Amino acid sequence: GQQVMQIPQYQHVQEGEDFTTYCNSSTTLSNIQWYKQRPGGHPVFLIQLVKSGEVKKQKRLTFQFGEAKKNSSLHITATQTTDVGTYFCAGPQAGNNRKLIWGLGTSLAVNP
Amino acid sequence: NAGVTQTPKFQVLKTGQSMTLQCAQDMNHEYMSWYRQDPGMGLRLIHYSVGAGITDQGEVPNGYNVSRSTTEDFPLRLLSAAPSQTSVYFCASTRGQYGYTFGSGTRLTVV
Repeated sequence: GQQVMQIPQYQHVQEGEDFTTYCNSSTTLSNIQWYKQRPGGHPVFLIQLVKSGEVKKQKRLTFQFGEAKKNSSLHITATQTTDVGTYFCAGPQAGNNRKLIWGLGTSLAVNP
Repeated sequence: NAGVTQTPKFQVLKTGQSMTLQCAQDMNHEYMSWYRQDPGMGLRLIHYSVGAGITDQGEVPNGYNVSRSTTEDFPLRLLSAAPSQTSVYFCASTRGQYGYTFGSGTRLTVV
């Protein structure tokens, strides 16, 4: 079946270092969404990418959607302790865009 | 504008008991979903709805029922609780092709 894979599963960084998480889909996606979940919290929508090769920035966060619309990345520049959490990507199931296929997430820990 | 409201926040059930997890949104979103989140399993879709009166199954629907009588409310019913249903449950809603707004979750323990 359709799958979305994220790597790495865990990442520990020193505050100020950069961080990147990658999302790879087994099928072409119409769009990809990114969410952040703080420990003990709920997922919070960050952004949606729709176009092939699209790049969007939110302050220190840079999101990219691959040319083939099968992969995506989230890059955080100069991490801060407020970046701690799990980052999920999700894409619509082929043929039913109301069902999202979720990656298992990348958990980010930041040492101050 | 409260967003997505879930109640209760915590619940302990005995095996075999039934209960309803409440979810309400005040954003006039037509799409609503229920997920469960377990360690190492990510978010798994239980049931979803594309509008009042319309519901469908997700990937893990067994043991759960839903109904959508109004746009605002989307309750999740556990018919006969089992320890395997111990999890964190999230309700989420959206409109059109936008990202989902999640509730704060219900942490359920079945003993």
